[in-house]
Amino acid sequence: EAQVTQNPRYLITVTGKKLTVTCSQNMNHEYMSWYRQDPGLGLRQIYYSMNVEVTDKGDVPEGYKVSRKEKRNFPLILESPSPNQTSLYFCASSLRGWPDTQYFGPGTRLTVL
Amino acid sequence: AQSVTQLGSHVSVSEGALVLLRCNYSSSVPPYLFWYVQYPNQGLQLLLKYTTGATLVKGINGFEAEFKKSETSFHLTKPSAHMSDAAEYFCAVTPTGGGNKLTFGTGTQLKVEL
Repeated sequence: EAQVTQNPRYLITVTGKKLTVTCSQNMNHEYMSWYRQDPGLGLRQIYYSMNVEVTDKGDVPEGYKVSRKEKRNFPLILESPSPNQTSLYFCASSLRGWPDTQYFGPGTRLTVL
Repeated sequence: AQSVTQLGSHVSVSEGALVLLRCNYSSSVPPYLFWYVQYPNQGLQLLLKYTTGATLVKGINGFEAEFKKSETSFHLTKPSAHMSDAAEYFCAVTPTGGGNKLTFGTGTQLKVEL
C-alpha cells in the first residue's frame, strides 16, 4: 500500500531534550516536506526537500533541522525543543513537487513541557 | 510572495444544502491552487487542484472549485451537503514556474446539521 508513515504518532518530552520524528514514504517520491499545524494558523511549511541531499527552508524553519540521505526518508530533528514547538506535525511527499498530488502522513502530536 | 485567505473559520450548513467555502489568494505569478480536506484525527487529503486550462475543476466526493483570476478566488462548492462532509477544509497556493513552497490558508471547519 502506498503510504507516508510517521513515528512516533504521539510524543511528550521536556524542554531541551533532543528528539527526532521519522518520516518514510514507499512511493519513490522525490519531493518531501514537513508542516506544523496550529489552531487558527493552518499548516505552515517547515522544510522541504526536492531530492536526496537537497533541502530548503519553508516558512517556519527556526528550531528545526532535516536531512535527506535516502530518497524514502526525511526525518525532522528538534535539537533543543521548546514549548512553542508543541504542535501537530505532518510529513508529506509528492512525485516531483508542484503540481503533483501531495500525500500526507497521519501526523505526530508533539508536546514539549 | 503568496498568501491565501479563507473567509469564515466555521461554516454550518444543513444536510442537502449548498456548500460554499471561500478562498482568495494573492500571488505575484500565476498560481497553482489546491483544496485539501482533513477529517478528524487524520492527515490531509487532496480534494482538487487547479494547474492550467479549464477554470472549473472537479474533485472527489462531488466537490468542485472555480478559478477566477479577475477576483483572485478559488471557492469550493458542493451542491448538496452530506453528513460525511463534516471536516476541516484548507485552501493552498504555490507559484507556477518554480518555487516549491506551499502556503496554506487557516482552514474552514464545516459542520453539517440534520
